[in-house]
Amino acid sequence: GNSVTQMEGPVTLSEEAFLTINCTYTATGYPSLFWYVQYPGEGLQLLLKATKADDKGSNKGFEATYRKETTSFHLEKGSVQVSDSAVYFCALSDAGANSKLTFGKGITLSVRP
Amino acid sequence: SAVISQKPSRDICQRGTSLTIQCQVDSQVTMMFWYRQQPGQSLTLIATANQGSEATYESGFVIDKFPISRPNLTFSTLTVSNMSPEDSSIYLCSVATGTYTDTQYFGPGTRLTVL
Repeated sequence: GNSVTQMEGPVTLSEEAFLTINCTYTATGYPSLFWYVQYPGEGLQLLLKATKADDKGSNKGFEATYRKETTSFHLEKGSVQVSDSAVYFCALSDAGANSKLTFGKGITLSVRP
Repeated sequence: SAVISQKPSRDICQRGTSLTIQCQVDSQVTMMFWYRQQPGQSLTLIATANQGSEATYESGFVIDKFPISRPNLTFSTLTVSNMSPEDSSIYLCSVATGTYTDTQYFGPGTRLTVL
């Protein structure tokens, strides 16, 4: 079956530091890949997505590239802010009409001023 | 995208009782989903609710415990029945806009505590 593996957390960074959050996946076929973010006390928000190999998703300074050869979708940001403190979830969606999402465990990011 | 609201936003319930959670979308959508997020954990899909058909439940979830209604293309309810403390979680609904789209948008969640 499908699975998503995220690096262990939590992660604590200073403001303006470089961020990388690793995500690898196992899937049959050609899934779409997502990063969702959950700010404290809120629901999930779609951060970015990529639907095919070598696609790069980007939003709010975050980027992730769909790497089929390494089955990875690592999240990066060049300079984090305190407001980026949240839980980040990597997810994949089966190709086709079912749209079923499989989530990773999530990782908590804390950014210090 | 879609704007999704949930009611209630949070509740504290006694064991053995039931709670119905409402999910309202600002546009017509084909597919709606219900997820559970247990404390400190990731999201687990409970069921997929399509209008005009029975909900499809994932392994480990049954209709008697989590009955779902989907009366129209903008609304769904999830009931958590005969609750126990193990049901304490955040329950989220999500929607996929369009038949074959793979992107889901989430509501703000309902935080349930069972005493």
